[in-house]
Amino acid sequence: AQSVTQLGSHVSVSEGALVLLRCNYSSSVPPYLFWYVQYPNQGLQLLLKYTSAATLVKGINGFEAEFKKSETSFHLTKPSAHMSDAAEYFCAVSSTGGFKTIFGAGTRLFVKA
Amino acid sequence: DTAVSQTPKYLVTQMGNDKSIKCEQNLGHDTMYWYKQDSKKFLKIMFSYNNKELIINETVPNRFSPKSPDKAHLNLHINSLELGDSAVYFCASSQAVSGANVLTFGAGSRLTVL
Repeated sequence: AQSVTQLGSHVSVSEGALVLLRCNYSSSVPPYLFWYVQYPNQGLQLLLKYTSAATLVKGINGFEAEFKKSETSFHLTKPSAHMSDAAEYFCAVSSTGGFKTIFGAGTRLFVKA
Repeated sequence: DTAVSQTPKYLVTQMGNDKSIKCEQNLGHDTMYWYKQDSKKFLKIMFSYNNKELIINETVPNRFSPKSPDKAHLNLHINSLELGDSAVYFCASSQAVSGANVLTFGAGSRLTVL
């Protein structure tokens, strides 16, 4: 069975500060990993995905994530937060031969002026 | 053009009623899904169809019945609505059924059961 755990249901940063959202996964097979973002009253949109091509994955809006197999982690980072980054962020996992994408509980990012 | 569109966006109804949510995608994807997002934002898959065939049916009460008339449409009908059914229901689609396939989500349908 696969699962993801997102550490911290809420993260607050100041505008211009580093954003770090943590995700750990559990999978008995090589995983595919994703970060999605949900803005208020909208559906989820893909930020980036890991498919084993490269451990450091760059996404949209300046976000990136690094796959660390030894730590079973896929943390999301952005060097400098912008007010528009305030949203709910979801880490997700799936696998070859798997039929579904499993989502973490989400982390709400607050950005202070 | 909206890639994955759901109707209605908001639904307020009484306990015991029956309601439907419709979903259409114009991406040419083969697979469609229904996810339920509860008040704590937790997302749980309910159903998935691949080329009109049901491939995922999570532990969902029989009151929920999905129907896929063609691969571009996946509707959700809910009988005898209960308070606990209040949630946001998201339709999504992907190009294929598994692996590194990205999900494209609709904007959601917020169901409130009174």
